[in-house]
Amino acid sequence: KQEVTQIPAALSVPEGENLVLNCSFTDSAIYNLQWFRQDPGKGLTSLLLIQSSQREQTSGRLNASLDKSSGRSTLYIAASQPGDSATYLCAVLVSNYKLTFGKGTLLTVNP
Amino acid sequence: NAGVTQTPKFRVLKTGQSMTLLCAQDMNHEYMYWYRQDPGMGLRLIHYSVGEGTTAKGEVPDGYNVSRLKKQNFLLGLESAAPSQTSVYFCASSYEQNQPQHFGDGTRLSIL
Repeated sequence: KQEVTQIPAALSVPEGENLVLNCSFTDSAIYNLQWFRQDPGKGLTSLLLIQSSQREQTSGRLNASLDKSSGRSTLYIAASQPGDSATYLCAVLVSNYKLTFGKGTLLTVNP
Repeated sequence: NAGVTQTPKFRVLKTGQSMTLLCAQDMNHEYMYWYRQDPGMGLRLIHYSVGEGTTAKGEVPDGYNVSRLKKQNFLLGLESAAPSQTSVYFCASSYEQNQPQHFGDGTRLSIL
């Protein structure tokens, strides 16, 4: 059974700092890996999707990497801003159309 | 451009009552999904659909039924609500299996 772990569970940083969120998964047989953002009381917003054949994806200040063989992904956020404060979720797409989610990292960026 | 719309946003039910959650998407997506999100458990897939007229079970389907009579709508039904079904329910859709899923804002459901 695929399991997704996100470390740390919570992170607090000062504005302007570069930071890395970590995601690990137990089974390398995935179709893709996705990073989402969830604001309080809201749904999930897709940030980046990395296909299994890719190593990284970039969007603005965000960069996500994927190492399938080691079962790891990282989300790098450059020059963090208070507006980046949210819960970040990692999910892997396995067979049967199933996304398996981690429990998320709660990020707080302090002004 | 609404994206994925869920109704209602909040609901309180008594044990044994029934209700239907509605999900509508205007992106012409083939795939639609229902998840529940519980503290400490993360998001778990309840049911999904790969096209109009099709449905399939996800990770936690017991106590729920679904229907996809129209491509843009995916309904989640609780026939006899139980306190264990207290949760936040999210609907999502995607163009293809290997494409990003777009989520609604959720329905917060409490079963007393």
